Amino acid sequence: DGGITQSPKYLFRKEGQNVTLSCEQNLNHDAMYWYRQDPGQGLRLIYYSQIVNDFQKGDIAEGYSVSREKKESFPLTVTSAQKNPTAFYLCASSIPPPGPEAFFGQGTRLTVV
Amino acid sequence: GQQVMQIPQYQHVQEGEDFTTYCNSSTTLSNIQWYKQRPGGHPVFLIQLVKSGEVKKQKRLTFQFGEAKKNSSLHITATQTTDVGTYFCAGPNTGNQFYFGTGTSLTVIP
Repeated sequence: DGGITQSPKYLFRKEGQNVTLSCEQNLNHDAMYWYRQDPGQGLRLIYYSQIVNDFQKGDIAEGYSVSREKKESFPLTVTSAQKNPTAFYLCASSIPPPGPEAFFGQGTRLTVV
Repeated sequence: GQQVMQIPQYQHVQEGEDFTTYCNSSTTLSNIQWYKQRPGGHPVFLIQLVKSGEVKKQKRLTFQFGEAKKNSSLHITATQTTDVGTYFCAGPNTGNQFYFGTGTSLTVIP
């Protein structure tokens, strides 16, 4: 089945540690995105990539880093510089330019203690 | 910068009542999309509107795109408990990424 997979679903880390969230898609989409969602909040764009080996910062990129070495993979690293990392992280992919729709993974709920 | 606001932020309705959420953009949009996120789930695409004044229906859901292509609405007729969730609109920003609205959380009381 084609789709987009995020792992793990739940992740716990100690404050000060970097953590990498996985996102893999087999939809052959060129564009991939990372969003952050806080309780009762909308989706805020962290990073996006329109093509392999290229990515751009979204609205809230500080404290995060990404790589796009393969078309299928777009991992997100939450660094210790991110002041409030506890959140629900969603990865999405699409055919660029955006549309006709974004396909989302199941999300990773990160808790930093 | 671009802003996409949705109202209301929260809505509680009795089962069988109608529900409407409104999406307003500070800039003209080439298209607008609507997504539904069930509690604990991920956003799922519902529909895309492209033309000025466009109206599309999916069973009890009616989607409209404003004439100026800066606003949109989603109307649900006779809500059911399966309609519970958060509804987001999204439009492409100047960088051609999906830019999501703030969302409307719908609670349906049986």
